[in-house]
Order: sequence, then structure tokens, then C-alpha cells
Amino acid sequence: QSVLTQPPSASGTPGQRITISCSGSSSNIGSNYVYWYQQLPGSAPNLLIYGSNQRPSGVPDRFSGSKSGTSASLAISGLRSDDEADYHCAAWDDSLSGVVFGGGTKLTVL
Amino acid sequence: EVQLVQSGAEVKKPGESLKISCKGSGYSFTSYWIVWVRQMPGRGLEWMGITFAGDSDTRYSPSFQGQITISVDKSISTAYLQWSSLKASDSAMYYCARQEYYGSGKVDYWGQGTLVTVSS
Repeated sequence: QSVLTQPPSASGTPGQRITISCSGSSSNIGSNYVYWYQQLPGSAPNLLIYGSNQRPSGVPDRFSGSKSGTSASLAISGLRSDDEADYHCAAWDDSLSGVVFGGGTKLTVL
Repeated sequence: EVQLVQSGAEVKKPGESLKISCKGSGYSFTSYWIVWVRQMPGRGLEWMGITFAGDSDTRYSPSFQGQITISVDKSISTAYLQWSSLKASDSAMYYCARQEYYGSGKVDYWGQGTLVTVSS
């Protein structure tokens, strides 16, 4: 059972905007930045969002992150078929002294 | 170009030992932390532990403390993850990655993964 809680699946049609939620607690999301990782099928994870709402260079501005209290969200606008992947949220946890992840959300583009 | 290249897939029997590796290049290896992450089939990511390549300072997740050993050889820019006695439940994909610093959740470069299969 993961420390951060994500929905196991999400779906949308091309061009649509979807959001994926990530819920935590005061020891992780509530007091630290949130990170999002995209994992394409058969590949290693890739950093998508850091500092709760910052994009690394090369990540399209269709991807955006936000945080409020002990929850965070990843939004993807202009959905494309190649956005089909697993999306994982993460944060440092002050109580566990380590990084905690969500269980991952599998995004399907219909 | 920053790269982390991991050793190849392994097939082992329960009770055997194993050491997998992760070689960094394209950056100042001794200035960063290397983290190991487990992904069991069809499951999420799990942070196992971390080592600072500059001085071998190593910390473990409580879930993995005592089950694994993380080490680093800075002379060859390589980090290691090892088990002394594997169990079937250790079957998983293992990723090494570069973590910004201890206390950050930012893992910015990942290895390609090493698949470990433990079966009698």
C-alpha cells in the first residue's frame, strides 16, 4: 500500500483536458514539494514536474502541476495518444526520511 | 549527456546472493546522490535507499533496512545494490537514479532498469 494515494486509472479522448489527483499527509505533501513522473510502457520513469509546478526543459506546457494543502494534481491538456503512460506522484516524507510515491495512475487515451 | 547505465537482467534461485550495478557518466558523479527504486510487476515505485557518491553516506528506507546493501565505488563512478540471500518476493525491476539531494523528491535521471527474477 502506497503512502500517497492516486486513482489507479484515468482516461480521456484526444484534445481533452484531464487531471490526476495525489493525496498525502502533513509529513509529505503538506510540507514538501511534489514531483510527477511519466513512465511510458516498457520504459524507466521520467521527471515530468518538479517543485510542485515546475517543468524540466523539454516537457511541453500541456503538462502542469499544482498543490494545495496535503493534495496535488497533475493536469494534461490537449491530450495526445502518446500521453498514454503511467503517472506517479512523489514527495519527500519527513517522518519516514525518504521519498514516498503514489501507486501510479494508468492513463488511457481513448 | 548524463547517463546511468545498469547491469543486465539476472535470474537467480532463492537463497543466492546478487550484486547489480549502476555506472554514471556525463556529470560530476561525486556531487550527487544515487537512489535505488523497486518496481514489482504491475505495481508502483518504491524508494529503497540512497547513497552519496562523494563520501558513501548511505541511508535506507525502513521497509528495506537490513534486507539490502547499497554501496558506491567513486573511483569507477559506479553504485551497487546487493542482496545476501534472495527471496522470490525480490523479483522486480530495479532502477538506479540520480537524486538532487537527500531531502528532495527530485529524481532527474534514471537508469534503464535491471530485471531480477528469483525462482527455484
